[in-house]
Amino acid sequence: SAVISQKPSRDICQRGTSLTIQCQVDSQVTMMFWYRQQPGQSLTLIATANQGSEATYESGFVIDKFPISRPNLTFSTLTVSNMSPEDSSIYLCSAGTSGNYEQYFGPGTRLTVT
Amino acid sequence: AQTVTQSQPEMSVQEAETVTLSCTYDTSESNYYLFWYKQPPSRQMILVIRQEAYKQQNATENRFSVNFQKAAKSFSLKISDSQLGDTAMYFCAFMKPLTGTASKLTFGTGTRLQVTL
Repeated sequence: SAVISQKPSRDICQRGTSLTIQCQVDSQVTMMFWYRQQPGQSLTLIATANQGSEATYESGFVIDKFPISRPNLTFSTLTVSNMSPEDSSIYLCSAGTSGNYEQYFGPGTRLTVT
Repeated sequence: AQTVTQSQPEMSVQEAETVTLSCTYDTSESNYYLFWYKQPPSRQMILVIRQEAYKQQNATENRFSVNFQKAAKSFSLKISDSQLGDTAMYFCAFMKPLTGTASKLTFGTGTRLQVTL
């Protein structure tokens, strides 16, 4: 398994600003993912973070709004840009290792936009 | 595209009793993985159990077991001897794997389980 940490754990931001969320894994992983969980709802995949190349975004999510970086095999960031109250959610990072089809999740970042 | 359906938004069970959470899915894939995740109020997603579609035998992890019916596309979770710590949101999830590694998860809407004294 992998242990995943996220920073910050929560934040309150003003409309129109941006927030960068960091995800750190304690071991090298092949795959990293970013999910959004709106209040009281299920998880929706935002994008797959690819090491050394552009992230792969799901339908409804765009790079200008959610730029993602993955400079190495243990670290990724997600930026929520030009925030609006509709962006208030929990953002979760997950990772999967080679040869193992399981995904492990970070503790999430609770974002509130006012 | 795959879809995952959890038809029970909320369930309640008494401590030490057994409860079954339902999940159905729709896919045209033959090779896939199914998972149950638990999300307690702390919001940490915890992997409970996984099932490979090519395996006929149902997966078991201590008090947790699944009833995997591939033809019916059903994947239910049974929790035996329920404990207060089992109180959480439970999500069923589907994965079509990439070669040798994990791929994206498609989640159901979740079932909120309350274990009572």
